[in-house]
Amino acid sequence: DTGVSQDPRHKITKRGQNVTFRCDPISEHNRLYWYRQTLGQGPEFLTYFQNEAQLEKSRLLSDRFSAERPKGSFSTLEIQRTEQGDSAMYLCASSANGGVGSPLHFGNGTRLTVT
Amino acid sequence: QKEVEQNSGPLSVPEGAIASLNCTYSDRGSQSFFWYRQYSGKSPELIMFIYSNGDKEDGRFTAQLNKASQYVSLLIRDSQPSDSATYLCAVNGSGGSNYKLTFGKGTLLTVNP
Repeated sequence: DTGVSQDPRHKITKRGQNVTFRCDPISEHNRLYWYRQTLGQGPEFLTYFQNEAQLEKSRLLSDRFSAERPKGSFSTLEIQRTEQGDSAMYLCASSANGGVGSPLHFGNGTRLTVT
Repeated sequence: QKEVEQNSGPLSVPEGAIASLNCTYSDRGSQSFFWYRQYSGKSPELIMFIYSNGDKEDGRFTAQLNKASQYVSLLIRDSQPSDSATYLCAVNGSGGSNYKLTFGKGTLLTVNP
């Protein structure tokens, strides 16, 4: 069981730069999620893919954010023109298509710091 | 806005005691309920899930669900210092959003040796 893999683990960038994160889900999972977590808060839903289709995008996700999942395998999350408010832990999770409320399995996360 | 509420704590218990963590949710259509443990600086780790009213036991952990009261809890028996972490309650959405989990802010548990 290789688990959900995220890269990089940490990213420090200057305001205005673009960043891209990668997530490799558990291989047999067709559902993939991105969440964001700030200090003292629970994870907040950003977006959801079923296979390669992006089926939901949160209002939290401004136009500066884009996510893709080509061929229904790995996913990328790109943030353009980063702002200090984007500093957070970005968590990727995957789940099996097991009907109602399958558990999410999280990766180790990418911690973004915008200076 | 569907909400999941937890007491942020910190909840402090002595080693060997029972820790009781509580969660309420607003979406009456939710059917799946999860408890995650999160150590400082780490990602959430699934420890329990429950779908039916009543109790579900797994080792030292017991999840309790009361859908009528929209209440879910987690009991940790014989608490150990290694149980010290933030415990996140998560609830699935109803209807067309049943794939999505909404998380509470978490309860910080400290187990004192």
